[in-house]
Amino acid sequence: DIVMTQTPLSLSVTPGQPASISCKSSQSLLDSDGKTYLYWYLQKPGQSPQLLIYEVSNRFSGVPDRFSGSGSGTDFTLKISRVEAEDVGVYYCMQSIQVPLTFGGGTKVEIK
Amino acid sequence: EVQLVESGGGLVQPGGSLRLSCAASGFTFSSYEMNWVRQAPGRGLEWVSTISGSGGRTYYTDSLKGRFTISRDNSKNTLYLQMNSLRVEDTAVYYCVKRRNRDFDYWGQGTLVTVSS
Repeated sequence: DIVMTQTPLSLSVTPGQPASISCKSSQSLLDSDGKTYLYWYLQKPGQSPQLLIYEVSNRFSGVPDRFSGSGSGTDFTLKISRVEAEDVGVYYCMQSIQVPLTFGGGTKVEIK
Repeated sequence: EVQLVESGGGLVQPGGSLRLSCAASGFTFSSYEMNWVRQAPGRGLEWVSTISGSGGRTYYTDSLKGRFTISRDNSKNTLYLQMNSLRVEDTAVYYCVKRRNRDFDYWGQGTLVTVSS
C-alpha cells in the first residue's frame, strides 16, 4: 500500500498570511499515462470533505485561486496564499494511482 | 445539481449486519464509478470500496474483504454497502462518493454506523 505522510499535523495561521502543507508518498504517483494522481481535499468543521485540487495542481470548480498545488513524483505541497477564516478545517492529500486508495493523516488549519 | 443522500446507518451489535444506501441524483449515475469512504470518530479518511459504472467490477480495502459488499442498482440510481460481521472498529461515518476520472468530486453528508453492545 502507498503511505501518504502529511506535515505538519496542525497549523495556526494569521488571516491574510500564507500557509503551506506538505504531502509525501511512499511511491511515485506518476502513472504511465503521464498524469500524477495526487489530490487535495478540505473537510470544514461539521461538513463532508470537498475536492480542492486534482492531479497535483488543478483547482476544482469554484475553488478560489488563493489555493495552489505543486510537486512531482513523491513530494507535493498545497499552498494557501492568504488564509481566510473560511479556510479552517482539516486538509487531506490522497493518491489514486493504485488500489487501495490512501489518504494522508490530515493537517488541521486554525486561525490565530 | 449533484446530490448524494446516504441512509441506513444506526446502532448495531458486534457481529450484526447493516445495509447502507445512497440515493444519487443530478448526474448520469450509470456512467460513473461510485465509492464508499469512512471516517472513524475523530480520525482521518479511509477508502472502503469502489464499484464500476456497470457494477461489473468491484474493489475493496483488504481489511474488509469478505465482510462488506458494494453493489448498485442503476435503474434506481442507488448505491449500496452490505456490511456483515460488524466489529467495534467499523464504527464510523460512511460517505457515499462519486468518482470523476480518478478523484472524488462529490460527497454525501454521511451516515453514522455505531457498532456497540
